[in-house]
Amino acid sequence: DTGVSQDPRHKITKRGQNVTFRCDPISEHNRLYWYRQTLGQGPEFLTYFQNEAQLEKSRLLSDRFSAERPKGSFSTLEIQRTEQGDSAMYLCASTPEVGGVETQYFGPGTRLLVL
Amino acid sequence: EDQVTQSPEALRLQEGESSSLNCSYTVSGLRGLFWYRQDPGKGPEFLFTLYSAGEEKEKERLKATLTKKESFLHITAPKPEDSATYLCAVQGISGTYKYIFGTGTRLKVLA
Repeated sequence: DTGVSQDPRHKITKRGQNVTFRCDPISEHNRLYWYRQTLGQGPEFLTYFQNEAQLEKSRLLSDRFSAERPKGSFSTLEIQRTEQGDSAMYLCASTPEVGGVETQYFGPGTRLLVL
Repeated sequence: EDQVTQSPEALRLQEGESSSLNCSYTVSGLRGLFWYRQDPGKGPEFLFTLYSAGEEKEKERLKATLTKKESFLHITAPKPEDSATYLCAVQGISGTYKYIFGTGTRLKVLA
């Protein structure tokens, strides 16, 4: 399967703990996005990478959140000192840089529950 | 500010009962409008990309159309397996590539 993959699929943690999620985009897709989705809502943009450069961050991305994409391949999203409000589905998407309109292809998501 | 509104929030149809889902959008300039299907606990699955007013795309029982202010997803003779949440998103020309999503329409097709 050559789609976007995310790991882990599920994570349960206690408030105050740190968690890290991984996203592997479709091969040769150089744009990568992170979104957060809560129950009954559409995905909300968090951040965007073009290759290894983080080009945009949402104001939703507080200083407890950090994302990286070393070498422009996989990406990690870390949440420090988790809070119950961080409970959500974290989605990763990738797209090739072809100019014009680019369709984003989503992974299966990582569901986070903070107790 | 770019905004997407989907209606209805939820829709129950009998198998074979055709209907339409609405996506109204406000964007400074539209680069593209996208429809996704999302099953519970899974990531969104791409359905259609629409670029300009008047454009239409079809896939099996689904047909997406676009005007300057809204898009419709028409479902013809739906089956129970079409039950899912349908998400609409827009990408503006403001220089960023992020999507702005609506809250989705939860569709339930009864056998």
